[in-house]
Amino acid sequence: GENVEQHPSTLSVQEGDSAVIKCTYSDSASNYFPWYKQELGKRPQLIIDIRSNVGEKKDQRIAVTLNKTAKHFSLHITETQPEDSAVYFCAVEYGNKLVFGAGTILRVKS
Amino acid sequence: SAVISQKPSRDICQRGTSLTIQCQVDSQVTMMFWYRQQPGQSLTLIATANQGSEATYESGFVIDKFPISRPNLTFSTLTVSNMSPEDSSIYLCSVENTGFSGEQYFGPGTRLTVT
Repeated sequence: GENVEQHPSTLSVQEGDSAVIKCTYSDSASNYFPWYKQELGKRPQLIIDIRSNVGEKKDQRIAVTLNKTAKHFSLHITETQPEDSAVYFCAVEYGNKLVFGAGTILRVKS
Repeated sequence: SAVISQKPSRDICQRGTSLTIQCQVDSQVTMMFWYRQQPGQSLTLIATANQGSEATYESGFVIDKFPISRPNLTFSTLTVSNMSPEDSSIYLCSVENTGFSGEQYFGPGTRLTVT
């Protein structure tokens, strides 16, 4: 089935520390894995994505890693800042659509 | 990425009435989608809006309750029919970046409250 599990549901870190959010999925045929950031009252914003032909992708302080064998992928945020506080959603492309994880509330304490 | 707008941004409606939400994109896109996001929850796909044909609905969503139009490659509407308080939610449209399968960008959303 089309299943995406996301952990943890909430994450509190001290400013400057790293944050890691992990998602697992069920369909080995899936090839596209985006991450979205949603601030309070705003639309979800695509912040980074990865396709199954690569294992890792970085963009400044954020990175995504993919393990296709184990069917999981993770978002890594380094040197966290207060403006990183938001809800983060992973997603998996199943066929022609995206299925979203339940979300992770990230709080960065200054 | 494309500029996506939605109207209205918010509305308060009485139960039993219907509301039509519009989604406008500033460039032609093949794939458009409608999502629902209930308070504090994740994004749930309602349907894929197909240009020139009927929308493709996900399990739990039916055309009679959520009719969708897609008259051209830059515009779509979602109607929430015969509303009840359980329909109170944020409704978002999204578009797929043509040529980049799965890469979706969201509109600002419509916050609907049904009393």
